[in-house]
Amino acid sequence: SQTIHQWPATLVQPVGSPLSLECTVEGTSNPNLYWYRQAAGRGLQLLFYSVGIGQISSEVPQNLSASRPQDRQFILSSKKLLLSDSGFYLCAWNTGQGVGMNTEAFFGQGTRLTVV
Amino acid sequence: DAKTTQPNSMESNEEEPVHLPCNHSTISGTDYIHWYRQLPSQGPEYVIHGLTSNVNNRMASLAIAEDRKSSTLILHRATLRDAAVYYCILMRYGTYKYIFGTGTRLKVLA
Repeated sequence: SQTIHQWPATLVQPVGSPLSLECTVEGTSNPNLYWYRQAAGRGLQLLFYSVGIGQISSEVPQNLSASRPQDRQFILSSKKLLLSDSGFYLCAWNTGQGVGMNTEAFFGQGTRLTVV
Repeated sequence: DAKTTQPNSMESNEEEPVHLPCNHSTISGTDYIHWYRQLPSQGPEYVIHGLTSNVNNRMASLAIAEDRKSSTLILHRATLRDAAVYYCILMRYGTYKYIFGTGTRLKVLA
């Protein structure tokens, strides 16, 4: 069966420090991968999505970047964190078949990031 | 991206049916209607999706209006575990993006 792993679960980082969040998917190949952010009490904002290795689409210009070095690995990074980067970060995947509109997305358990 | 509109919050009594509405007046013919729910401090969970016909699964039913400009998620017997934020999303053919709105916060009363 397919599983998604996201770590760490919680993270407290000082302003100006770098960030690296990792997400891996098991049990499937060529998934579409997604990074979302949810600010406290708000909805989910799509940050990045990827349909293949090295293919990254950015939805919101910001202080963050994403990379997909392997088929089932998706990394969210920042060189210098801002206070506004605090939030709940979620990784998700769906099958790469078709164009994704008729398949469900599976979400990880999230990383709660607090920038202090 | 097509937009959806949902009430901010709803309440239901335990073991009663719940009808969660969603308006999507700008829906196109190739947009699929997806529903997800998010429990506190967890990632969203898939509930159901459909295109034109009503759909049923073990979690819920999805009723789609004939003109497809609105849909309703039906929980047949609400339980306390169904308390969550419910999101209605449109996914357009040719895109890969799940664009979440603000959702409906469902409160289930014992």
